[in-house]
Amino acid sequence: GESVGLHLPTLSVQEGDNSIINCAYSNSASDYFIWYKQESGKGPQFIIDIRSNMDKRQGQRVTVLLNKTVKHLSLQIAATQPGDSAVYFCAEKTAGGYNKLIFGAGTRLAVHP
Amino acid sequence: DAGVIQSPRHEVTEMGQEVTLRCKPISGHNSLFWYRQTMMRGLELLIYFNNNVPIDDSGMPEDRFSAKMPNASFSTLKIQPSEPRDSAVYFCASTFPKASYGYTFGSGTRLTVV
Repeated sequence: GESVGLHLPTLSVQEGDNSIINCAYSNSASDYFIWYKQESGKGPQFIIDIRSNMDKRQGQRVTVLLNKTVKHLSLQIAATQPGDSAVYFCAEKTAGGYNKLIFGAGTRLAVHP
Repeated sequence: DAGVIQSPRHEVTEMGQEVTLRCKPISGHNSLFWYRQTMMRGLELLIYFNNNVPIDDSGMPEDRFSAKMPNASFSTLKIQPSEPRDSAVYFCASTFPKASYGYTFGSGTRLTVV
């Protein structure tokens, strides 16, 4: 399996800088959000999630911010490394069960040494 | 745990042929999802199952597409007859049905219909 060379917006950063990837979600009733990372040749991998009753959640080197007022989600990566180069997708779960996830278009992150 | 296992990894077939993609979810996961990824449309949800029962197949593009889950450890996505516009990467993912768990994706099947 591979990522398919999507014509995506690209964020280029220098190694060691912080990265911020943004996402606008569609459904104001969504109650759960996830960021995924997709490297070439692999399926999307879970990075971090956040529920709608929170506005910030931190992981290891990553932070997700949620602004429900404007339906905006962001992923911050601290001290970006070459291994962070990938396509990043936000996904929202529609309220109502069964964990149905709708994915955004994705952003390509390119980390330069 | 071997994760979500998909087969084949690559499939090249001629237009009009039947194609069957296979998925083995993670043991204990009882929700399974089929996604299609294309350059133009990104990741699209095709169909999902809960406890082997199809819950929502509204994303299945046409009657040429069908999916089954005969038991908790196996699912198939079939395209008959296949067309060049079906060329894409098809992903299977599984999870627990309750909230707060992200999906685990397989490595996908790259389908090329010539």
